Amino acid sequence: GAVVSQHPSRVICKSGTSVKIECRSLDFQATTMFWYRQFPKQSLMLMATSNEGSKATYEQGVEKDKFLINHASLTLSTLTVTSAHPEDSSFYICSAEPAKNSPLHFGNGTRLTVT
Amino acid sequence: GDSVTQMEGPVTLSEEAFLTINCTYTATGYPSLFWYVQYPGEGLQLLLKATKADDKGSNKGFEATYRKETTSFHLEKGSVQVSDSAVYFCALRGNSGYSTLTFGKGTMLLVSP
Repeated sequence: GAVVSQHPSRVICKSGTSVKIECRSLDFQATTMFWYRQFPKQSLMLMATSNEGSKATYEQGVEKDKFLINHASLTLSTLTVTSAHPEDSSFYICSAEPAKNSPLHFGNGTRLTVT
Repeated sequence: GDSVTQMEGPVTLSEEAFLTINCTYTATGYPSLFWYVQYPGEGLQLLLKATKADDKGSNKGFEATYRKETTSFHLEKGSVQVSDSAVYFCALRGNSGYSTLTFGKGTMLLVSP
């Protein structure tokens, strides 16, 4: 089945540094990937839609300059949290669609802790 | 806009008990409906789906029926196991051609031996 791999699974960084999270589709090509942030008490918030070869589409309220998204190939999208602060600590999850209108497949998430 | 409402948890059950997690939705047209499961420390896994009214999705003993008349997609399982302990998310995808999902807030299920 379709597999989405996310790396790293956990990262701890100091305030002010930047962190890059990778999302790869291992056995299919994905022109579109989605980045979610999961807040305490479980709710998932769509942050942005990553489009291969073009700019990402950000949801309202998400800072584009803070959460940089790059989708350089059909199998890789990256989310960079720039100048991280403790309030950026969260669980970030990516997803991709193996084929149009097929269910989304999710990575295992990245737990970011900013100290 | 689209929205999904699911029952708040945690839902606490003994092993072999019957499970129902309610989910209702608001959407225009005919969305596709999904249940995803998240085990501790992991991402989301698709559990089951239904793409049109009266469809029943089923997997691993779980099932849910797409009820357009009540705009519901309740998740059921006849006999839960300890290994079913997880957070369950109901989600919909509209038929506008935009692929992303709208999620409910999730319901934690805790099953004790």
